[in-house]
Amino acid sequence: DAKTTQPPSMDCAEGRAANLPCNHSTISGNEYVYWYRQIHSQGPQYIIHGLKNNETNEMASLIITEDRKSSTLILPHATLRDTAVYYCIVRVVGAGGTSYGKLTFGQGTILTVHP
Amino acid sequence: DTGVSQDPRHKITKRGQNVTFRCDPISEHNRLYWYRQTLGQGPEFLTYFQNEAQLEKSRLLSDRFSAERPKGSFSTLEIQRTEQGDSAMYLCASSLRLAGAGSYNEQFFGPGTRLTVL
Repeated sequence: DAKTTQPPSMDCAEGRAANLPCNHSTISGNEYVYWYRQIHSQGPQYIIHGLKNNETNEMASLIITEDRKSSTLILPHATLRDTAVYYCIVRVVGAGGTSYGKLTFGQGTILTVHP
Repeated sequence: DTGVSQDPRHKITKRGQNVTFRCDPISEHNRLYWYRQTLGQGPEFLTYFQNEAQLEKSRLLSDRFSAERPKGSFSTLEIQRTEQGDSAMYLCASSLRLAGAGSYNEQFFGPGTRLTVL
């Protein structure tokens, strides 16, 4: 799986949009971009994933550049409960194959949302 | 609560003792994963099962570690002769792999078992 690079920490004011960047310049054509977050003392939680198109769900939006070498996770209206470590992960997705199972986490970005 | 559960939540043991952790996945999920997380680091993959078959093991999983999922439901992770370096959070996750189709394989994590080896 391709390696990702994220800033170690970011701050955001409550109610504002939080934009978390991720670089994955060695991403392959069959690798998806996933985002998980981990709130203190909890297990990681899936947020969103995408291949090449922008994606949106009830939690966040994912913007992937045209060359797929970077992406941005957007939390449109951050709240104090969004304070967490955010992990950007790239992994192969397809039919079968043991390498598709695991997630390879980096150190992530510590997002602190302040009042 | 129908999420992934882990037991115990905390375990303190002395070096050299054996410990066993249990994970109960979401009931219909056929894949189960174990990860280990040390302070300030992201989770590291240890092993995973599809039903009762252990399909992949990390080189992090030394001979002192063994995982089982005997009936394809709950799983246990045993650490023999614990060392201080084994102190970590042990996370379990489960997912549903649909047969014959690619799956984005969202993993649902449990709250973890925090192990402290004295």
